[in-house]
Amino acid sequence: KAGVTQTPRYLIKTRGQQVTLSCSPISGHRSVSWYQQTPGQGLQFLFEYFSETQRNKGNFPGRFSGRQFSNSRSEMNVSTLELGDSALYLCASRQGVDSPLHFGNGTRLTVT
Amino acid sequence: KNEVEQSPQNLTAQEGEFITINCSYSVGISALHWLQQHPGGGIVSLFMLSSGKKKHGRLIATINIQEKHSSLHITASHPRDSAVYICAAPFSNSGGSNYKLTFGKGTLLTVNP
Repeated sequence: KAGVTQTPRYLIKTRGQQVTLSCSPISGHRSVSWYQQTPGQGLQFLFEYFSETQRNKGNFPGRFSGRQFSNSRSEMNVSTLELGDSALYLCASRQGVDSPLHFGNGTRLTVT
Repeated sequence: KNEVEQSPQNLTAQEGEFITINCSYSVGISALHWLQQHPGGGIVSLFMLSSGKKKHGRLIATINIQEKHSSLHITASHPRDSAVYICAAPFSNSGGSNYKLTFGKGTLLTVNP
């Protein structure tokens, strides 16, 4: 089975722009969750989608949004980028709430 | 406040030593995750446990629900075990199935040959 695929691997954007990141889960997994990792804050939970519905949300501003499609693929969007949004963005998929998480390799976003 | 505390932050060991990493959390949870992240690499889920003990190869994870404490043990440590180990707890936002996964700061383990 293919693992969780995140695209692109690297992105460089300018402050004020917006960005969309993509995550394809493992086949059969209906849950996709997103995380931000920075040296200062560590790993932080952004949100989780299950069957196209956002089930849980972390403490991030409304500039961070996401969606999940009927094939379980998910996208995360960040609008009006700030320098502090520079981070590694990871997504993870799982079969259900009682299942372990499977992480992608992440998208490294640099905002200049 | 829902918190996850890990200790130690850094750990250096000699090959073959027994390693213990600790994780404490502030409120009751349904299950705890242990993750491994190699430098520059992705994250691998090691364990998800809600009670007792789980073992996978040289790795053992235990959890004490009453004490709100979990430990990750590595027996006969090897340089390839060098990585950051992170525990994570799903704190419920408003009960039911809604939760926010909260992570510890991680433990950087270095195993020297």
